[in-house]
Amino acid sequence: AQKVTQAQTEISVVEKEDVTLDCVYETRDTTYYLFWYKQPPSGELVFLIRRNSFDEQNEISGRYSWNFQKSTSSFNFTITASQVVDSAVYFCALSEADNFGNEKLTFGTGTRLTIIP
Amino acid sequence: DADVTQTPRNRITKTGKRIMLECSQTKGHDRMYWYRQDPGLGLRLIYYSFDVKDINKGEISDGYSVSRQAQAKFSLSLESAIPNQTALYFCATSAPGDRADNEQFFGPGTRLTVL
Repeated sequence: AQKVTQAQTEISVVEKEDVTLDCVYETRDTTYYLFWYKQPPSGELVFLIRRNSFDEQNEISGRYSWNFQKSTSSFNFTITASQVVDSAVYFCALSEADNFGNEKLTFGTGTRLTIIP
Repeated sequence: DADVTQTPRNRITKTGKRIMLECSQTKGHDRMYWYRQDPGLGLRLIYYSFDVKDINKGEISDGYSVSRQAQAKFSLSLESAIPNQTALYFCATSAPGDRADNEQFFGPGTRLTVL
């Protein structure tokens, strides 16, 4: 069965510091997708990134960057020069097919990030 | 206007009451999902539907039922609510097709409290 582990339950950093959120996954599939979602205090879920298992190239989007390493089954998320608006719960998720070929998304338990002004 | 809407946004009810949470989408997606979120547990899948005639149980379906009234509507029912069903409930949709299209789009959530 697929599994996503976000070992960091809560992280606090001072504004402008860099912070990395860890995500480790388990899957038997060779084809799968990994996601990061942000949940701000208002509660909605905001899609941040999707990465397929065949693309190990790191991605950068502004202050956000993602490091995907199949060798360690990790998909870590780094925020550079953090801002108070980055305070949120961040979820890592894994998508793979079940026994009937249907896509299922499994979420990690989330990391609560607090940026201290 | 939001692509995925949920009603109600907040609901307080009593143990034993029947509750229905509704989800509507204007994205034209075939696939719809219901999740619940509990502190420290992330999101867990309750039910999902890949088209109007397809209903599947998720990880934690006990105590819940669903109805896919139309492509755009997917309702979640608690036949007899109990306090441990107090949670934040999310509806989501996704397009079918190859795996490149399996991003899920989430509604704003329904906060349900069972007293």
